[in-house]
Amino acid sequence: AQKVTQAQTEISVVEKEDVTLDCVYETRDTTYYLFWYKQPPSGELVFLIRRNSFDEQNEISGRYSWNFQKSTSSFNFTITASQVVDSAVYFCALSEARRDDKIIFGKGTRLHILP
Amino acid sequence: DAEITQSPRHKITETGRQVTLACHQTWNHNNMFWYRQDLGHGLRLIHYSYGVQDTNKGEVSDGYSVSRSNTEDLPLTLESAASSQTSVYFCASSGSSYSQGYEQYFGPGTRLTVT
Repeated sequence: AQKVTQAQTEISVVEKEDVTLDCVYETRDTTYYLFWYKQPPSGELVFLIRRNSFDEQNEISGRYSWNFQKSTSSFNFTITASQVVDSAVYFCALSEARRDDKIIFGKGTRLHILP
Repeated sequence: DAEITQSPRHKITETGRQVTLACHQTWNHNNMFWYRQDLGHGLRLIHYSYGVQDTNKGEVSDGYSVSRSNTEDLPLTLESAASSQTSVYFCASSGSSYSQGYEQYFGPGTRLTVT
């Protein structure tokens, strides 16, 4: 069965520190998609990234980077030089698109960036 | 720019009343989804649709219904509102092919209070 685990319920770091949010997934499919979403205090859900199972290249977008490792079924998210505006709940998610188009979300990690 | 909108943004209703939450997307996506978000439960799927006239039950569908008469809209109806349905409701849409992408784009949410 498909499952997404975000073991870190809540993390607090001081501004400018780097922080990594962990995501471990389970799937029986060889073709799947992984996502990260951000939910800031204002409440909206913002799509950050999609990764396909056949592309293990790491991705960097500004201060954000993602490390996808199929060998450990992990898709971790790192924020470099964190800022207060990064404070949010972050969700990792998985889709087995050949099975159906639903997305399974992790429970989320609440990130506090302290000034 | 394509978007997904929800109305109303806030709603207070009484137990036993029928309530309909609107969701409208201009992405031209085939897939649409309704979730509820509650503390401690993350995002839970209520209903979803893969196209016009198609609807499916999610993990928490009891007491809710949807209908899909066109591509753009998926209204969510609470047949007889209960206090347990007090929650924040999110509508989302996604593509249905690799080229479109399977990531879901979310509306701003509707905060529903049942008194």
